[in-house]
Amino acid sequence: DADVTQTPRNRITKTGKRIMLECSQTKGHDRMYWYRQDPGLGLRLIYYSFDVKDINKGEISDGYSVSRQAQAKFSLSLESAIPNQTALYFCATSEAGTYGYTFGSGTRLTVV
Amino acid sequence: GIQVEQSPPDLILQEGANSTLRCNFSDSVNNLQWFHQNPWGQLINLFYIPSGTKQNGRLSATTVATERYSLLYISSSQTTDSGVYFCAVVETSGSRLTFGEGTQLTVNP
Repeated sequence: DADVTQTPRNRITKTGKRIMLECSQTKGHDRMYWYRQDPGLGLRLIYYSFDVKDINKGEISDGYSVSRQAQAKFSLSLESAIPNQTALYFCATSEAGTYGYTFGSGTRLTVV
Repeated sequence: GIQVEQSPPDLILQEGANSTLRCNFSDSVNNLQWFHQNPWGQLINLFYIPSGTKQNGRLSATTVATERYSLLYISSSQTTDSGVYFCAVVETSGSRLTFGEGTQLTVNP
């Protein structure tokens, strides 16, 4: 099994719908992150969490919300999806005190 | 925040050629990673290299932290090396990974 699992892998949704992307990890890391990648660009940070009670906004948090249900689970929600949120979304984990990051396989989201 | 610049933005090679990708960053860092994104979108961690030199098969990387740059070397390139190579850093005063915009590598048979 993958260390960082994202579901779903692909999703097409309509404008205005609420959608949740889920991430779970088996690495035992405290820190979890959600990134977004647009075509031809690098990854940009949406939200991050250093533990269950610590949630922080990244550089592009508008239109998104997150929930850290447990150390191993971190969900990203789009409350009312819009077409410019069409992108590849990545979840990542890292461990406090070390700086190597592990990424999930990504969720390809299309908003029509 | 920290700026990360990668060059070249695009690179086309014939199979068997060597290449060097560069990553410049604007502030001191305590983490630098190189990733390969394959054509299916998966991010593969190549190196964790905040300083020094590492080698893994045909790939090697060098980071000169005092001069704020890192280099990724690909020798005897293969078509499977195609994809986007990202450099990402965590600045010393921060805690979040910031990505460059990547180098798109195409290796032709």
